Amino acid sequence: GQQLNQSPQSMFIQEGEDVSMNCTSSSIFNTWLWYKQDPGEGPVLLIALYKAGELTSNGRLTAQFGITRKDSFLNISASIPSDVGIYFCAGSPPGNTDKLIFGTGTRLQVFP
Amino acid sequence: GAVVSQHPSRVICKSGTSVKIECRSLDFQATTMFWYRQFPKQSLMLMATSNEGSKATYEQGVEKDKFLINHASLTLSTLTVTSAHPEDSSFYICSALGLINEQFFGPGTRLTVL
Repeated sequence: GQQLNQSPQSMFIQEGEDVSMNCTSSSIFNTWLWYKQDPGEGPVLLIALYKAGELTSNGRLTAQFGITRKDSFLNISASIPSDVGIYFCAGSPPGNTDKLIFGTGTRLQVFP
Repeated sequence: GAVVSQHPSRVICKSGTSVKIECRSLDFQATTMFWYRQFPKQSLMLMATSNEGSKATYEQGVEKDKFLINHASLTLSTLTVTSAHPEDSSFYICSALGLINEQFFGPGTRLTVL
């Protein structure tokens, strides 16, 4: 089946540093979404991307939908302690826009 | 904003019993809801798509007789784990589909089967 691979698997950074993580797939996706999940809670949508090449920002977050439709990246600038959590990419495969396939996740730890 | 609730947030049960989890869209109607399962330190895996007024669509490898889904109204879907066993212990998360195909997630239900 389709899989979304995220890298890195985990990151340990200092407060104030910028962060970059990405998501790749062997097949194309029509939509790319980035979520953050805190322990014991459901994921919360951060950014949604709907067109190849689209670059979208949400505060300190920036994400891009890759031209090939097989990848996406998420950047976080000037990290703060509350950025700690697990970041998941998710994509909708062609022909099934309702369905979401989640990536493997990137665990972010921010040290003061 | 669109809010989705789940009840209970946490449940502990004995092996062999059945457990029902509710998922509600509080401020919008959702003809489609989804049920996911998440094991510790793993990603969310889609179990089934719940459609109001019709049968749920299950993903490959998910037993429909074990995980019963009922979507009887536009704001409520239920997942019943029948004859639960320790290997069913997991974090179950639902989502509701909004007007422009975005998914709003519930806070999850942690199931522990002893």
